[in-house]
Amino acid sequence: SYELTQPPSVSVSPGQTARITCSGDALPKQYAYWYQQKPGQAPVLVIYKDSERPSGIPERFSGSSSGTTVTLTISGVQAEDEADYYCQSADSSGTYAWVFGGGTKLTVL
Amino acid sequence: QMQLVQSGAEVKKTGSSVKVSCKASGYTFTYRYLHWVRQAPGQALEWMGWITPFNGNTNYAQKFQDRVTITRDRSMSTAYMELSSLRSEDTAMYYCAAYNSKTGTFDYWGQGTLVTVSS
Repeated sequence: SYELTQPPSVSVSPGQTARITCSGDALPKQYAYWYQQKPGQAPVLVIYKDSERPSGIPERFSGSSSGTTVTLTISGVQAEDEADYYCQSADSSGTYAWVFGGGTKLTVL
Repeated sequence: QMQLVQSGAEVKKTGSSVKVSCKASGYTFTYRYLHWVRQAPGQALEWMGWITPFNGNTNYAQKFQDRVTITRDRSMSTAYMELSSLRSEDTAMYYCAAYNSKTGTFDYWGQGTLVTVSS
């Protein structure tokens, strides 16, 4: 079955830039999405269609895509950005199935 | 405003079934696919399947194909996810989420329903 691969953890100091990657064979053909999830809460969409930002999401969140890897970049990280981040995409085999990456814990030092 | 409100927490025995509901409000129920996603304690999000409220068409993740049934009641603006043959590994928070064709993914989530499976 299709898989998306993320690093388990990323750590940055406040004000620095955090980059979280997500790799998958179908990413050149399918959009990627990013969710932020804080403890005890439902996920919140922070990036859609690789690089679009929903209304209400701070400008410091951005997304990019290159080949089989997509990247979520958080510029000027703030303490409130500490959370789990999940990438999501669709299987390109025609099954209309969705898949999530394993998640990345962002720690703000 | 748009809302998805799920049913309350459940405690089930191994081998039994659970049915979780997701009531939609604040939008036209038939306009958005509804998906189900679960998250075991300390684990990643896991997509289970979706339903088209307009005609009831469904699509399930291969992993759950034999055990999950997603249905809807248009008159109640409510979707349901039933998981059978429960095992301890099914202990998880279960979420419904509404698909938005503009973003191409889910932008509204229910509050989650905790299902605990024990012997």
